[in-house]
Amino acid sequence: DQQVKQNSPSLSVQEGRISILNCDYTNSMFDYFLWYKKYPAEGPTFLISISSIKDKNEDGRFTVFLNKSAKHLSLHIVPSQPGDSAVYFCAAARMDSSYKLIFGSGTRLLVRP
Amino acid sequence: EPEVTQTPSHQVTQMGQEVILRCVPISNHLYFYWYRQILGQKVEFLVSFYNNEISEKSEIFDDQFSVERPDGSNFTLKIRSTKLEDSAMYFCARTTGGSPLHFGNGTRLTVT
Repeated sequence: DQQVKQNSPSLSVQEGRISILNCDYTNSMFDYFLWYKKYPAEGPTFLISISSIKDKNEDGRFTVFLNKSAKHLSLHIVPSQPGDSAVYFCAAARMDSSYKLIFGSGTRLLVRP
Repeated sequence: EPEVTQTPSHQVTQMGQEVILRCVPISNHLYFYWYRQILGQKVEFLVSFYNNEISEKSEIFDDQFSVERPDGSNFTLKIRSTKLEDSAMYFCARTTGGSPLHFGNGTRLTVT
């Protein structure tokens, strides 16, 4: 049951450049989307979210874009820093479903100095 | 924002034994959750807990699992008879409602 998919298991970018992480979903009932960052041996850390009534949300170096018609969202990190190296998880939820998050499989980002 | 505290950080148990994983959220949190991540796999929802009751649970959360908040503070996940496939990182999460889920650092459960 892959309702949330992250098709790129890994991404490598140069420090200072843009990192673009992608996520697709299949359930049109999802109306809230989040990105989490995870380091080994730690829990997921919330980064940024977007509700389905918006198509863009920005917080500092992080911007999330939502394309509802394509059921696609992306996370842009500009400029990328070595400390951004981690696994990034996309998650989706229905606001009427007790905040149950459905996670993607994650993308490992490596930012090279 | 204060983190959720989970104990223990690592639990090793033998197959068939009972384990209790603990989570200490901030007292004004309303919604509590358990998720798990088997090594190399995605983070999976187990159960949500609101107003001292289970509000939703996944297919994974079978009769071997239970949750409670016995003293109004600690939020616990009990696995009655552990199996090898229960080996995973178990994450507690919480929200006040209307805010994103925030996760603890997890308990690594190893069943031998």
